[in-house]
Amino acid sequence: DAKTTQPPSMDCAEGRAANLPCNHSTISGNEYVYWYRQIHSQGPQYIIHGLKNNETNEMASLIITEDRKSSTLILPHATLRDTAVYYCIVPVEGSGAGSYQLTFGKGTKLSVIP
Amino acid sequence: GAGVSQSPRYKVAKRGQDVALRCDPISGHVSLFWYQQALGQGPEFLTYFQNEAQLDKSGLPSDRFFAERPEGSVSTLKIQRTQQEDSAVYLCASSLVGFGSGYTFGSGTRLTVV
Repeated sequence: DAKTTQPPSMDCAEGRAANLPCNHSTISGNEYVYWYRQIHSQGPQYIIHGLKNNETNEMASLIITEDRKSSTLILPHATLRDTAVYYCIVPVEGSGAGSYQLTFGKGTKLSVIP
Repeated sequence: GAGVSQSPRYKVAKRGQDVALRCDPISGHVSLFWYQQALGQGPEFLTYFQNEAQLDKSGLPSDRFFAERPEGSVSTLKIQRTQQEDSAVYLCASSLVGFGSGYTFGSGTRLTVV
């Protein structure tokens, strides 16, 4: 079962910040939050991941709430090339097989509008 | 190479035909994954290799699906006696370690069974 909830779609004006929310209320202490995106006809692309501190890289910022039950992916200046499906993923914790399996769900389809 | 390479990019198979899909991971990447993506859905886990060892094949939908990575680099996903429900994009991903880092996906092979 998917451990995350995302809105099915969002629009963002080109040049503005895109804020993509994700709920993961059942997350446990050692589970990371990962974000991937998939541009049409391409494979998924890793964006960023975090545990409890906010993270930033050249692509995006990840803000995780203090209780870790939700997070927001921020694209600071969205471009048309950022139009894609964005997946928020919490891999299953544990020493077994589940920890490396990514359950993608349906994600959020972000449309960047000129 | 710089990325994960998959071939062929497109494959049309007649129902009942056997197919083989190839994945060339990033050089030195220990872990290799296969995912299946049906139209309009997120990718779903099929199988996982660590070097040449297939550690998890729990996602393979039937015994018609077989994957191998004999020398710990190139991997082949084979589907025997293809059925129409096998039509999907098959994605390969690799990473330096099994989890805790981002995976690099290839662009996938689109299989259409007619």
